[in-house]
Amino acid sequence: GQQLNQSPQSMFIQEGEDVSMNCTSSSIFNTWLWYKQDPGEGPVLLIALYKAGELTSNGRLTAQFGITRKDSFLNISASIPSDVGIYFCAGQLPLNTDKLIFGTGTRLQVFP
Amino acid sequence: DVKVTQSSRYLVKRTGEKVFLECVQDMDHENMFWYRQDPGLGLRLIYFSYDVKMKEKGDIPEGYSVSREKKERFSLILESASTNQTSMYLCASSLVLTEERNYEQYFGPGTRLTVT
Repeated sequence: GQQLNQSPQSMFIQEGEDVSMNCTSSSIFNTWLWYKQDPGEGPVLLIALYKAGELTSNGRLTAQFGITRKDSFLNISASIPSDVGIYFCAGQLPLNTDKLIFGTGTRLQVFP
Repeated sequence: DVKVTQSSRYLVKRTGEKVFLECVQDMDHENMFWYRQDPGLGLRLIYFSYDVKMKEKGDIPEGYSVSREKKERFSLILESASTNQTSMYLCASSLVLTEERNYEQYFGPGTRLTVT
């Protein structure tokens, strides 16, 4: 199956730092979603984006739907220890109405 | 608040056993999905269902079957478990209400299955 290119693969940062990660594809997407997965748990939906250029925030998290519709970015400001986990992007292709394509994940470690 | 529950968090089965993984959602969602998650391979879709008794193969259906007799319940069946089916299994559901929000999938906590 198809997967999205997500980078970086992992990040090790100090508490209080800002974090950026992104997903890219050669295909155009209609919807971008960002999930966070804690160890041993299922992914939790953080942000959903529906329109090219859209910028949406959820607390310290901000995500953008790229203008070309082929990429998306997630930023976390002022990171805290509970931000630790794996962050996944997911996209919905225009002709694939029910299924999502998932990114490979970014593993985030936050040191106090 | 969307709630997706899975019958077991951890399961250990022997090779050749028939295994049932159950998933229940309480938000009247039409779509339900089964994924497996393996290190380095990400989330891979096994099967999904868009209505009761309807199912469609995902990317890796071999060795699995599914059952959806009621809207809220979606079962994944391993007919004869094998060691290469050791994995984290995740169930998800999504709502078909508006054109946009169709794609927001909500996940259960996962079942970590070990086949020995």
